[in-house]
Amino acid sequence: NAGVTQTPKFRVLKTGQSMTLLCAQDMNHEYMYWYRQDPGMGLRLIHYSVGEGTTAKGEVPDGYNVSRLKKQNFLLGLESAAPSQTSVYFCASTPGSSADEQFFGPGTRLTVL
Amino acid sequence: QKEVEQDPGPLSVPEGAIVSLNCTYSNSAFQYFMWYRQYSRKGPELLMYTYSSGNKEDGRFTAQVDKSSKYISLFIRDSQPSDSATYLCAMSGNQFYFGTGTSLTVIP
Repeated sequence: NAGVTQTPKFRVLKTGQSMTLLCAQDMNHEYMYWYRQDPGMGLRLIHYSVGEGTTAKGEVPDGYNVSRLKKQNFLLGLESAAPSQTSVYFCASTPGSSADEQFFGPGTRLTVL
Repeated sequence: QKEVEQDPGPLSVPEGAIVSLNCTYSNSAFQYFMWYRQYSRKGPELLMYTYSSGNKEDGRFTAQVDKSSKYISLFIRDSQPSDSATYLCAMSGNQFYFGTGTSLTVIP
Protein backbone atom coordinates (compact mmCIF):
# COMPACT_ATOMS: atom_id res chain seq x y z
CA ASN A 1 0.00 0.00 0.00
CA ALA A 2 1.23 3.49 -0.88
CA GLY A 3 -0.84 5.06 1.93
CA VAL A 4 -1.46 8.77 1.29
CA THR A 5 0.26 10.36 -1.67
CA GLN A 6 0.33 13.99 -2.74
CA THR A 7 1.03 15.56 -6.11
CA PRO A 8 3.05 17.69 -6.77
CA LYS A 9 5.81 17.73 -4.13
CA PHE A 10 6.93 21.28 -4.93
CA ARG A 11 5.43 24.16 -6.88
CA VAL A 12 6.18 27.83 -7.47
CA LEU A 13 3.33 30.05 -8.61
CA LYS A 14 2.99 33.69 -9.50
CA THR A 15 0.34 35.79 -7.80
CA GLY A 16 -3.01 35.26 -9.50
CA GLN A 17 -2.22 31.87 -11.00
CA SER A 18 -4.34 28.85 -10.22
CA MET A 19 -3.43 25.28 -9.40
CA THR A 20 -4.84 22.04 -8.02
CA LEU A 21 -3.19 19.82 -5.43
CA LEU A 22 -4.08 16.15 -5.59
CA CYS A 23 -4.32 13.81 -2.62
CA ALA A 24 -4.85 10.09 -3.10
CA GLN A 25 -5.24 7.31 -0.52
CA ASP A 26 -5.47 3.57 -1.07
CA MET A 27 -6.67 2.59 2.42
CA ASN A 28 -10.40 2.93 1.68
CA HIS A 29 -10.68 5.70 4.28
CA GLU A 30 -13.89 7.69 4.56
CA TYR A 31 -12.54 10.94 5.99
CA MET A 32 -9.97 13.12 4.26
CA TYR A 33 -8.45 16.45 5.31
CA TRP A 34 -6.39 19.29 3.90
CA TYR A 35 -4.09 21.23 6.28
CA ARG A 36 -1.57 23.97 5.85
CA GLN A 37 1.48 24.21 8.09
CA ASP A 38 3.24 27.49 8.72
CA PRO A 39 6.06 28.28 11.17
CA GLY A 40 4.67 28.99 14.63
CA MET A 41 1.11 28.26 13.50
CA GLY A 42 1.07 24.50 13.54
CA LEU A 43 -1.35 22.53 11.39
CA ARG A 44 -4.48 24.44 10.42
CA LEU A 45 -7.43 22.69 8.84
CA ILE A 46 -8.50 24.14 5.49
CA HIS A 47 -11.29 21.80 4.35
CA TYR A 48 -12.31 18.25 5.06
CA SER A 49 -14.58 15.53 3.71
CA VAL A 50 -16.48 12.84 5.59
CA GLY A 51 -17.24 10.83 2.49
CA GLU A 52 -17.40 10.76 -1.29
CA GLY A 53 -19.28 13.76 -2.62
CA THR A 54 -19.15 15.71 0.66
CA THR A 55 -16.95 18.61 1.73
CA ALA A 56 -16.90 21.03 4.67
CA LYS A 57 -14.98 24.11 5.73
CA GLY A 58 -12.29 24.01 8.34
CA GLU A 59 -10.52 26.76 10.24
CA VAL A 60 -8.96 28.62 7.27
CA PRO A 61 -11.02 27.91 4.11
CA ASP A 62 -10.85 31.31 2.39
CA GLY A 63 -9.12 31.27 -0.98
CA TYR A 64 -9.39 27.48 -1.35
CA ASN A 65 -11.91 25.09 -2.87
CA VAL A 66 -12.07 21.31 -2.66
CA SER A 67 -13.76 18.40 -4.34
CA ARG A 68 -14.19 14.72 -3.43
CA LEU A 69 -15.61 13.13 -6.56
CA LYS A 70 -14.04 9.76 -5.81
CA LYS A 71 -13.58 8.22 -2.38
CA GLN A 72 -9.84 7.81 -2.85
CA ASN A 73 -9.11 11.34 -4.07
CA PHE A 74 -9.38 14.76 -2.43
CA LEU A 75 -8.47 17.80 -4.52
CA LEU A 76 -7.49 21.22 -3.18
CA GLY A 77 -7.77 24.16 -5.57
CA LEU A 78 -6.33 27.64 -5.43
CA GLU A 79 -8.26 29.82 -7.90
CA SER A 80 -6.10 32.94 -7.63
CA ALA A 81 -2.94 32.34 -5.62
CA ALA A 82 -1.70 34.97 -3.16
CA PRO A 83 1.68 35.23 -1.37
CA SER A 84 -0.17 34.52 1.92
CA GLN A 85 -0.85 31.02 0.59
CA THR A 86 2.86 30.19 0.58
CA SER A 87 2.95 27.19 2.88
CA VAL A 88 3.40 23.46 3.20
CA TYR A 89 0.15 21.62 2.49
CA PHE A 90 -0.58 18.24 4.02
CA CYS A 91 -3.35 15.86 3.18
CA ALA A 92 -4.52 13.29 5.74
CA SER A 93 -7.10 10.53 5.94
CA THR A 94 -8.80 8.52 8.68
CA PRO A 95 -10.90 5.36 8.51
CA GLY A 96 -14.14 6.77 9.81
CA SER A 97 -14.14 9.43 12.49
CA SER A 98 -12.25 12.22 14.22
CA ALA A 99 -11.25 9.73 16.95
CA ASP A 100 -9.12 7.73 14.54
CA GLU A 101 -5.44 8.10 13.79
CA GLN A 102 -4.77 10.48 10.93
CA PHE A 103 -2.48 9.20 8.19
CA PHE A 104 -0.57 12.01 6.52
CA GLY A 105 0.89 12.43 3.08
CA PRO A 106 4.45 13.74 2.51
CA GLY A 107 3.32 17.31 1.88
CA THR A 108 3.42 19.83 -0.97
CA ARG A 109 5.67 22.86 -0.65
CA LEU A 110 4.03 25.80 -2.39
CA THR A 111 5.62 29.18 -2.93
CA VAL A 112 3.59 32.07 -4.33
CA LEU A 113 5.69 34.96 -5.65
CA GLN B 1 -7.85 31.32 23.59
CA LYS B 2 -6.49 28.49 21.48
CA GLU B 3 -8.02 25.06 21.90
CA VAL B 4 -4.58 23.52 22.37
CA GLU B 5 -1.44 25.22 23.69
CA GLN B 6 2.02 23.77 23.18
CA ASP B 7 5.41 25.30 23.96
CA PRO B 8 7.21 25.57 20.60
CA GLY B 9 10.69 25.23 22.07
CA PRO B 10 13.15 24.65 20.56
CA LEU B 11 14.41 22.06 23.01
CA SER B 12 18.00 20.79 22.87
CA VAL B 13 19.17 17.91 25.10
CA PRO B 14 22.20 15.60 25.28
CA GLU B 15 21.85 12.00 24.21
CA GLY B 16 20.51 9.82 27.02
CA ALA B 17 18.51 12.61 28.67
CA ILE B 18 14.87 12.33 29.68
CA VAL B 19 12.67 14.65 27.65
CA SER B 20 9.33 16.03 28.78
CA LEU B 21 6.93 17.57 26.25
CA ASN B 22 3.65 19.12 27.32
CA CYS B 23 0.35 20.47 26.06
CA THR B 24 -2.61 22.10 27.75
CA TYR B 25 -6.12 22.33 26.41
CA SER B 26 -9.30 24.15 27.22
CA ASN B 27 -12.08 21.97 25.82
CA SER B 28 -13.33 19.40 28.32
CA ALA B 29 -15.09 17.55 25.45
CA PHE B 30 -11.79 16.19 24.15
CA GLN B 31 -11.74 12.42 24.59
CA TYR B 32 -8.82 11.21 22.48
CA PHE B 33 -5.24 12.32 22.91
CA MET B 34 -2.37 11.72 20.56
CA TRP B 35 1.26 12.56 19.98
CA TYR B 36 2.60 12.81 16.45
CA ARG B 37 6.25 12.96 15.43
CA GLN B 38 7.29 14.93 12.38
CA TYR B 39 10.75 14.67 10.87
CA SER B 40 12.04 17.54 8.79
CA ARG B 41 10.30 17.80 5.41
CA LYS B 42 8.04 14.85 6.17
CA GLY B 43 4.40 14.41 7.16
CA PRO B 44 3.46 13.80 10.81
CA GLU B 45 3.15 10.18 11.95
CA LEU B 46 1.34 8.83 14.98
CA LEU B 47 3.56 8.04 17.95
CA MET B 48 1.16 7.53 20.87
CA TYR B 49 -2.63 7.32 21.24
CA THR B 50 -4.68 7.28 24.42
CA TYR B 51 -8.28 7.93 25.35
CA SER B 52 -8.23 7.97 29.12
CA SER B 53 -6.48 9.63 32.01
CA GLY B 54 -3.32 7.95 33.22
CA ASN B 55 -0.14 6.68 31.64
CA LYS B 56 0.51 4.64 28.52
CA GLU B 57 3.96 3.25 27.85
CA ASP B 58 5.51 2.10 24.59
CA GLY B 59 9.21 1.35 24.74
CA ARG B 60 11.07 4.54 25.61
CA PHE B 61 7.92 6.65 25.26
CA THR B 62 5.29 7.35 27.91
CA ALA B 63 2.15 9.37 27.29
CA GLN B 64 0.41 10.88 30.28
CA VAL B 65 -3.06 12.41 30.37
CA ASP B 66 -4.55 14.38 33.25
CA LYS B 67 -8.10 15.30 32.27
CA SER B 68 -8.81 17.09 35.55
CA SER B 69 -5.98 19.55 34.82
CA LYS B 70 -6.47 19.44 31.02
CA TYR B 71 -2.81 18.61 30.60
CA ILE B 72 -1.02 15.96 28.57
CA SER B 73 2.65 15.02 28.47
CA LEU B 74 5.03 12.89 26.47
CA PHE B 75 8.16 11.55 28.15
CA ILE B 76 11.08 10.17 26.18
CA ARG B 77 13.60 8.11 28.15
CA ASP B 78 17.19 7.55 27.03
CA SER B 79 16.74 10.03 24.19
CA GLN B 80 18.57 9.27 20.94
CA PRO B 81 19.72 11.51 18.07
CA SER B 82 17.08 9.75 15.95
CA ASP B 83 14.43 11.29 18.25
CA SER B 84 15.31 14.73 16.85
CA ALA B 85 12.05 15.91 15.30
CA THR B 86 9.04 18.11 15.93
CA TYR B 87 6.46 16.60 18.28
CA LEU B 88 2.85 17.66 17.90
CA CYS B 89 0.16 16.94 20.43
CA ALA B 90 -3.32 16.34 19.07
CA MET B 91 -6.71 15.81 20.58
CA SER B 92 -10.21 15.26 19.39
CA GLY B 93 -13.82 15.13 20.40
CA ASN B 94 -16.07 16.04 17.52
CA GLN B 95 -13.21 17.77 15.77
CA PHE B 96 -9.49 17.32 15.58
CA TYR B 97 -7.01 19.89 16.97
CA PHE B 98 -3.24 19.97 16.80
CA GLY B 99 -0.76 21.84 18.95
CA THR B 100 1.81 24.01 17.18
CA GLY B 101 4.59 21.48 17.80
CA THR B 102 7.79 21.39 19.88
CA SER B 103 11.10 21.12 18.04
CA LEU B 104 13.49 18.68 19.75
CA THR B 105 17.18 18.18 19.02
CA VAL B 106 19.11 15.37 20.74
CA ILE B 107 22.84 16.06 20.65
CA PRO B 108 25.15 13.02 20.38
